[in-house]
Amino acid sequence: GDSVTQMEGPVTLSEEAFLTINCTYTATGYPSLFWYVQYPGEGLQLLLKATKADDKGSNKGFEATYRKETTSFHLEKGSVQVSDSAVYFCALGDDYKLSFGAGTTVTVRA
Amino acid sequence: DAGVIQSPRHEVTEMGQEVTLRCKPISGHNSLFWYRQTMMRGLELLIYFNNNVPIDDSGMPEDRFSAKMPNASFSTLKIQPSEPRDSAVYFCASSFIAGSTDTQYFGPGTRLTVL
Repeated sequence: GDSVTQMEGPVTLSEEAFLTINCTYTATGYPSLFWYVQYPGEGLQLLLKATKADDKGSNKGFEATYRKETTSFHLEKGSVQVSDSAVYFCALGDDYKLSFGAGTTVTVRA
Repeated sequence: DAGVIQSPRHEVTEMGQEVTLRCKPISGHNSLFWYRQTMMRGLELLIYFNNNVPIDDSGMPEDRFSAKMPNASFSTLKIQPSEPRDSAVYFCASSFIAGSTDTQYFGPGTRLTVL
């Protein structure tokens, strides 16, 4: 079945550092790929998405490119802020189902 | 827009008691999802409704769990009787339509603790 594997955390960075969170997927069809973010005490919210191969999703300085050849959707940000501290989930969408990765906790220190 | 609304935000109950979680989806959204989040199992889809009809309840753990959607603006998830292993954060999410490209909008969750 469809599944997502993302890099384990926790990840701790200093402000203005470069962030990358690896995500790879297994799917039989042509899924959409998502990154959701969960701030402390809140629900998940969409950060960005890509619906087909080679699409790049971007939002709030974060980017991820849908790479079919490597079955990957790695999340990157060039300069993180303290406010980026959160749990990040990679997800695969197939029809109505979202399959989530385990989540990566990111802490950014001032 | 108010977003997806869930109540209560926190619930503490004793084993054997009935628990009812409530959700109001975003107006105009036709699809509603209930998820459970635990440290051990991550995020799991419990049930999916489309136009108020349950389409996929294969994620509902057992008969103690039931969900209803009597109208387009309200859904409940009930656990009867509750057990300590049901302790988790329960999220409701809605989307305009339920396709692979559609964004699901999550509520703030209900943190359930069963003693």
